Amino acid sequence: EDKVVQSPLSLVVHEGDTVTLNCSYEVTNFRSLLWYKQEKKAPTFLFMLTSSGIEKKSGRLSSILDKKELFSILNITATQTGDSAIYLCAVYYGGSQGNLIFGKGTKLSVKP
Amino acid sequence: ETGVTQSPTHLIKTRGQQVTLRCSSQSGHNTVSWYQQALGQGPQFIFQYYREEENGRGNFPPRFSGLQFPNYSSELNVNALELDDSALYLCASSFSVSANEQFFGPGTRLTVL
Repeated sequence: EDKVVQSPLSLVVHEGDTVTLNCSYEVTNFRSLLWYKQEKKAPTFLFMLTSSGIEKKSGRLSSILDKKELFSILNITATQTGDSAIYLCAVYYGGSQGNLIFGKGTKLSVKP
Repeated sequence: ETGVTQSPTHLIKTRGQQVTLRCSSQSGHNTVSWYQQALGQGPQFIFQYYREEENGRGNFPPRFSGLQFPNYSSELNVNALELDDSALYLCASSFSVSANEQFFGPGTRLTVL
């Protein structure tokens, strides 16, 4: 059965800390891995990763994919209270009927 | 550029009733997917619509059905509501059926009493 597993499920840190969120997957016909940030309702897109070992960066956030070991990490440096959210990892699989399979998410709380 | 919109924002129904949720895709996007997100869980794929036809379905019973219109907007219908149908229903659009990146709407919070 296809699955995406995220860890930890929740995390509490203080402003300025660096965090690493993990995502492992077992999915047939893998095409890409995506990270989303969900604050209230709509997940907002962060990164899409298709190739191993190539880091994607956006400000204080970065992510990398390892297709051999079937995992990805999302790093957030110098965390701010505005980073508090649920971070969702999803894998896009399949052909013409491909779609996203999500993990349960990591709830990050950043305290001042 | 208009993003994905959904209506209504919140909805309260009782068991056995029927509900229709609506989604307008982002400008230029022709593919719409629907997801159910229960509390504390990640979104689960319900189905996808492309060219007004269902193009893939997750593990949901037939009482979950949908439509896509010529302007690419979409509806999700749920019949014979059950308590476990209480969830956030998310609509996502993409610019083509093979596009990996999906853009999500704000969701409809459905509560079944």
